[in-house]
Amino acid sequence: EAQVTQNPRYLITVTGKKLTVTCSQNMNHEYMSWYRQDPGLGLRQIYYSMNVEVTDKGDVPEGYKVSRKEKRNFPLILESPSPNQTSLYFCASSPKGSSYNSPLHFGNGTRLTVT
Amino acid sequence: AQSVAQPEDQVNVAEGNPLTVKCTYSVSGNPYLFWYVQYPNRGLQFLLKYITGDNLVKGSYGFEAEFNKSQTSFHLKKPSALVSDSALYFCAVRAWKDSSYKLIFGSGTRLLVRP
Repeated sequence: EAQVTQNPRYLITVTGKKLTVTCSQNMNHEYMSWYRQDPGLGLRQIYYSMNVEVTDKGDVPEGYKVSRKEKRNFPLILESPSPNQTSLYFCASSPKGSSYNSPLHFGNGTRLTVT
Repeated sequence: AQSVAQPEDQVNVAEGNPLTVKCTYSVSGNPYLFWYVQYPNRGLQFLLKYITGDNLVKGSYGFEAEFNKSQTSFHLKKPSALVSDSALYFCAVRAWKDSSYKLIFGSGTRLLVRP
């Protein structure tokens, strides 16, 4: 089954403790992206990747890191999480993202709470 | 500024009645417009898109949307609502921003269909 898989689904952590949220897609998509969803704000893009070893900042990149060493994986790293990063996070992919002709395929989300 | 607006936080309809979820946009050039749906504890799922062609676009689950260039709107519609349509709906528009295309999401509209 074609899918985007995120792990974990739920994560509670404390301020300053490094964490990684994994994202993997099995559709051979070039484009991958991370979003955060907050009430009343819709989805805001954190980082995106056009292909392996190519990443770029989205609208809200502060406090986050990403890497794209393999086509299928695009982990999101929070080196020193803070409470304002408490949110619902989504990973998404599409065949080619540069023109957004193709719809995005989303994972089921990771709900992160930072205390 | 390039943006997309969903003016209603929530839409309530009775099962069997027609439904409309509103979306207006502001972008330069020809818009690419999308609707996504989010069911509880799931990621966003693509419903339909408008890139060019007929102003009335048909999508998944019996939904359709009408592109209106003069009113810069892309309202989502369904002739007869089902209780299972209750979900969070996001409109999105492709916009040229910071030297590349970006997908801008609206804040979301919660649709509640009562039996």
